[in-house]
Amino acid sequence: AQKITQTQPGMFVQEKEAVTLDCTYDTSDQSYGLFWYKQPSSGEMIFLIYQGSYDEQNATEGRYSLNFQKARKSANLVISASQLGDSAMYFCAMRGPSGAGSYQLTFGKGTKLSVIP
Amino acid sequence: NAGVTQTPKFQVLKTGQSMTLQCAQDMNHNSMYWYRQDPGMGLRLIYYSASEGTTDKGEVPNGYNVSRLNKREFSLRLESAAPSQTSVYFCASRASKDTEAFFGQGTRLTVV
Repeated sequence: AQKITQTQPGMFVQEKEAVTLDCTYDTSDQSYGLFWYKQPSSGEMIFLIYQGSYDEQNATEGRYSLNFQKARKSANLVISASQLGDSAMYFCAMRGPSGAGSYQLTFGKGTKLSVIP
Repeated sequence: NAGVTQTPKFQVLKTGQSMTLQCAQDMNHNSMYWYRQDPGMGLRLIYYSASEGTTDKGEVPNGYNVSRLNKREFSLRLESAAPSQTSVYFCASRASKDTEAFFGQGTRLTVV
């Protein structure tokens, strides 16, 4: 079974600084994908970034980048130049291997990020 | 585009009552999902439907049933609500295994 672990329940970062949110995963499969979502206090789920297990380069989307270390089974989210609007819950998620399991999407428990002015 | 639409947004039920949460997507996605979100627990998968005509159990299916009515609609039914089912419920859909899931705005359900 897949498992996603986010070890930081809460984090603080100074505005304009960079921050790394940790995500480790447990799978015995070679084919999988990793997603990061943001959930502001208003409650909606916002997709940020995706990394496939066979992607050779780390994914980037604007101020978001994914530090993918396959051997360590980690997929940490890096937010550069933090803004007050980045204060939110952040969830790491993983889709399963090829076949029927690839449609499952398993989430971690989340990290609450607070950006300090 | 409306995206993923859930109804209702809020609901209060008495223990033992039944209800159905509705979800519809207009993006022609194949897969649809139901999650529940509880404080400190993240999002836990209740049921999912990989494609029209199929449904599978997720991590926490007990006490729930689902119906994939057609490609657009995926409903979640609580037959006999219990206080432990008090939660925020999210419906989601996605086009394929390597694409992101799009979420509805959530249903806040309280069972008293």
